[in-house]
Amino acid sequence: QKEVEQDPGPLSVPEGAIVSLNCTYSNSAFQYFMWYRQYSRKGPELLMYTYSSGNKEDGRFTAQVDKSSKYISLFIRDSQPSDSATYLCAMRKSNYQLIWGAGTKLIIKP
Amino acid sequence: DTAVSQTPKYLVTQMGNDKSIKCEQNLGHDTMYWYKQDSKKFLKIMFSYNNKELIINETVPNRFSPKSPDKAHLNLHINSLELGDSAVYFCASSQGGGPTDTQYFGPGTRLTVL
Repeated sequence: QKEVEQDPGPLSVPEGAIVSLNCTYSNSAFQYFMWYRQYSRKGPELLMYTYSSGNKEDGRFTAQVDKSSKYISLFIRDSQPSDSATYLCAMRKSNYQLIWGAGTKLIIKP
Repeated sequence: DTAVSQTPKYLVTQMGNDKSIKCEQNLGHDTMYWYKQDSKKFLKIMFSYNNKELIINETVPNRFSPKSPDKAHLNLHINSLELGDSAVYFCASSQGGGPTDTQYFGPGTRLTVL
């Protein structure tokens, strides 16, 4: 079993929909959680990070961490075609090495 | 003024050849990384250097050898290329200072081994 599980998709939704992207993990030592966005033929770029449990909001994006369930989510409100990309979750153990999910491909249909 | 740059962007070569990929960052970061991303988009860490010293060396065939001539550069040399080496290779850099450390990625090098 991988340390971080993420459904590869693709997830296809109409423009304007609320999108929910998720990762589950097995190691309770993870404390820092990141979401990276990767456009086609580009490198990943950091979208958001959160520490421990709770929510963090940045514009149309909300990152949520539930440490008791070992589950993290990224919500995108009012989704746009420009949000179409692969979204990768990543998380850190105490030694700071990032452990990555497989990425979920998101397609927003106009 | 690209932050993390890689050359070449595309590399097509025959099995058995030796090739190198170069990476440079102008962010003043202390730590650099090489990742391999396969066709299923899974991003796998290969190596990490901090101030020119190797700090992460995952289970990677010894045909892969990183070289860091200085803090701003981390090159990847691959000997005796195999079909399974076909992937996109990403270089990244970060300040390397703590748990909220952000990695900045280059555009990737798409390697195809025929």
